[in-house]
Amino acid sequence: KAGVTQTPRYLIKTRGQQVTLSCSPISGHRSVSWYQQTPGQGLQFLFEYFSETQRNKGNFPGRFSGRQFSNSRSEMNVSTLELGDSALYLCASSLDVGNTEAFFGQGTRLTVV
Amino acid sequence: GESVGLHLPTLSVQEGDNSIINCAYSNSASDYFIWYKQESGKGPQFIIDIRSNMDKRQGQRVTVLLNKTVKHLSLQIAATQPGDSAVYFCAETRGSGAGSYQLTFGKGTKLSVIP
Repeated sequence: KAGVTQTPRYLIKTRGQQVTLSCSPISGHRSVSWYQQTPGQGLQFLFEYFSETQRNKGNFPGRFSGRQFSNSRSEMNVSTLELGDSALYLCASSLDVGNTEAFFGQGTRLTVV
Repeated sequence: GESVGLHLPTLSVQEGDNSIINCAYSNSASDYFIWYKQESGKGPQFIIDIRSNMDKRQGQRVTVLLNKTVKHLSLQIAATQPGDSAVYFCAETRGSGAGSYQLTFGKGTKLSVIP
């Protein structure tokens, strides 16, 4: 079966702009989590969605938001982009909330210039 | 501060030898500990997990050991192969109270296999 699909793979944006990233989880998976990966901070949890509800949120400013649709697909949005938002954004899907076996997509590489 | 950390940033191992990747944690309330492997250009891939009330768990060529006394986690890879070259992350989960489990990752150890 198809894995986790993230689009786009690469993105270049200008400071101050906003961006929307998309994630399609594995079919049948209902939980979607988002992570930011940078060389300095490593992998950091952004938020988790299940049944269209945000279940958990990491320590990121309100400029970072997300949502989940009824088909479990998820989007995350970053507004008023800053240079420090340049990172690999990873989406992970799991069968259910609390399932430790999360399957990650290849990520979206965001560069803010 | 970060509750999961790694002892060594890089590890070089001869092909065929066993690899041991270590991880220290500080949160005694963690429910599960998990190892992920990330190859260049790819997202992390689940390897194996261990529940906090266990000491050892084995998978295919991998063994995870948990020492709660010293809050130490290790991943042992038997007969290391070139395909094992990657960055390995330990992660821990704890419930948020809303039925959600947040993964907290360590910085990662880069494993290089020498042919």
